[in-house]
Amino acid sequence: GQQVMQIPQYQHVQEGEDFTTYCNSSTTLSNIQWYKQRPGGHPVFLIQLVKSGEVKKQKRLTFQFGEAKKNSSLHITATQTTDVGTYFCAGRVAGGTSYGKLTFGQGTILTVHP
Amino acid sequence: NAGVTQTPKFRILKIGQSMTLQCTQDMNHNYMYWYRQDPGMGLKLIYYSVGAGITDKGEVPNGYNVSRSTTEDFPLRLELAAPSQTSVYFCASIKVRDRIYNEQFFGPGTRLTVL
Repeated sequence: GQQVMQIPQYQHVQEGEDFTTYCNSSTTLSNIQWYKQRPGGHPVFLIQLVKSGEVKKQKRLTFQFGEAKKNSSLHITATQTTDVGTYFCAGRVAGGTSYGKLTFGQGTILTVHP
Repeated sequence: NAGVTQTPKFRILKIGQSMTLQCTQDMNHNYMYWYRQDPGMGLKLIYYSVGAGITDKGEVPNGYNVSRSTTEDFPLRLELAAPSQTSVYFCASIKVRDRIYNEQFFGPGTRLTVL
């Protein structure tokens, strides 16, 4: 079945440093979404990327979707303590009848030291 | 709108007991999902529903059952609970129209421990 691999599993940074997490799918995706989960909380939607090579920005966050639509990245510039949490990518398989099913990566746990 | 609500928030079960996790959404979303999240892991899809009366299995359906009698409610039933079902369970929903899928809205989760 489809697999979505996410690296790194953990990332510790000093406040102000940059952070990047990468997501790779074994199959071509129709779109990819990114979610943030605060400790003890539930996943909250950040963004959806649909087009090949798409780049979107949300303040200090930059999201990219690969040209082949099989990989994606999330980059945070100048991390803040409020960025702490687990970041998940989640992809939908291209074609077929997926009924909106998302395959989640394992997540990257970000710790920011003040 | 309350969004997606789940009850209970926490539950401890003994091996072999049964329970139902409740999920309700008030956003008139047609698609609903149940996930489980084990510590330090991503979310695994248990069951999903594309509308009232229609359900289907996800990646890890064994030991669970669902029903969807109304658009709003999507309960998850655990029969004969086992320690392997200790996890956090999230319900999610989405409005799908013309095969356009947007964000999933998640409930706050139910933390289940089976001893």
